[in-house]
Amino acid sequence: EAGVAQSPRYKIIEKRQSVAFWCNPISGHATLYWYQQILGQGPKLLIQFQNNGVVDDSQLPKDRFSAERLKGVDSTLKIQPAKLEDSAVYLCASRGVSGRSKTQYFGPGTRLLVL
Amino acid sequence: AQSVTQLGSHVSVSEGALVLLRCNYSSSVPPYLFWYVQYPNQGLQLLLKYTSAATLVKGINGFEAEFKKSETSFHLTKPSAHMSDAAEYFCAVSRLGNQFYFGTGTSLTVIP
Repeated sequence: EAGVAQSPRYKIIEKRQSVAFWCNPISGHATLYWYQQILGQGPKLLIQFQNNGVVDDSQLPKDRFSAERLKGVDSTLKIQPAKLEDSAVYLCASRGVSGRSKTQYFGPGTRLLVL
Repeated sequence: AQSVTQLGSHVSVSEGALVLLRCNYSSSVPPYLFWYVQYPNQGLQLLLKYTSAATLVKGINGFEAEFKKSETSFHLTKPSAHMSDAAEYFCAVSRLGNQFYFGTGTSLTVIP
């Protein structure tokens, strides 16, 4: 079973620029999460999708962050414009709907550095 | 509301010694609890999980954790530390397996 795929793995941009991250969840997983992990901290949920609908985006800074999950499969997280404090690892995770459904599976993350 | 507190941001043990990483949770409903490990430049990998079945949970790599409702704890243990156990460990709580809340992590150092 292929795991959660993310790209790019690393990105360096200047503040006020835009950036987008891509996530491909495990096949058949209906739930997809985006987390922000700042150095030295635990992951913080940004947004949760169930299929192509948003379940929870209460911690997403909507003035600059956006996310979509077209067709309920792949997802894209965008930052526009980026700030220095957005430097972090962005983790994508997915979860199924039955069987071992209580487990999230994480991708390797995208490490973003904003200069 | 759900939250977790990990006591000790850094833990050092000698190789072969007992590993004990502490996690206390707060939950308004029966929680699901998880321990994840993160190696440098990698995503999180599930070590073990508690989902209201047996209170003593065994995971991968010799780790186990015990759910203690009276103490609201879910501490992670391993009888004998290996060098390869050096990593960041995160405790997480979930409401019915849906929203997940992570602790701030504990960095484990294993001294040869």
